[in-house]
Amino acid sequence: AQTVTQSQPEMSVQEAETVTLSCTYDTSESDYYLFWYKQPPSRQMILVIRQEAYKQQNATENRFSVNFQKAAKSFSLKISDSQLGDAAMYFCAYRSAVAYGGSQGNLIFGKGTKLSVKP
Amino acid sequence: DTGVSQDPRHKITKRGQNVTFRCDPISEHNRLYWYRQTLGQGPEFLTYFQNEAQLEKSRLLSDRFSAERPKGSFSTLEIQRTEQGDSAMYLCASGRSGNTIYFGEGSWLTVV
Repeated sequence: AQTVTQSQPEMSVQEAETVTLSCTYDTSESDYYLFWYKQPPSRQMILVIRQEAYKQQNATENRFSVNFQKAAKSFSLKISDSQLGDAAMYFCAYRSAVAYGGSQGNLIFGKGTKLSVKP
Repeated sequence: DTGVSQDPRHKITKRGQNVTFRCDPISEHNRLYWYRQTLGQGPEFLTYFQNEAQLEKSRLLSDRFSAERPKGSFSTLEIQRTEQGDSAMYLCASGRSGNTIYFGEGSWLTVV
């Protein structure tokens, strides 16, 4: 079974600085997707960034970028120029790209990292 | 784009009562998921539909839980004989094959 581990329960960053959130995962599959979701205090889960495992190039979305190390099964999120609105819980998630046994790619989440942004 | 909507947003119920949550997915999405999230934890998968067919259920989904998606559009999640341990946020999400899953705002359940 696949697992996702976020080893940092809480992180803090100064406004305008850069912070990196860590995520490792365990899988025997070669084809999968990885995601970072953000959950602000209002509680709606919002997609931040997505990475396909077959792509070597790291995904980037504006101030958000990932460092995807497939061999190491590591998927960290870098937030540049942090803003107050970035304060939230961040969840790393794994999704299989292969359908088998009726499983159609539901998301497996880590326990999350609470990010605080100091003004 | 109306997004994934859930109703009610908050529900307080007495132990032993039944509750039902509704989820309306994004209209063109054929896949619908239910997750449960407790404070300080990541969401845990409960069940999944492709169109009207319920294709997978987690072991977390006890016999007191039932989910339906009768016409392949909206879905309901019913919890019978609620227990205090059922208190959580119930998240609905939808997506298309191979694509990103989008979440609703969740339905908070408090069992007293």
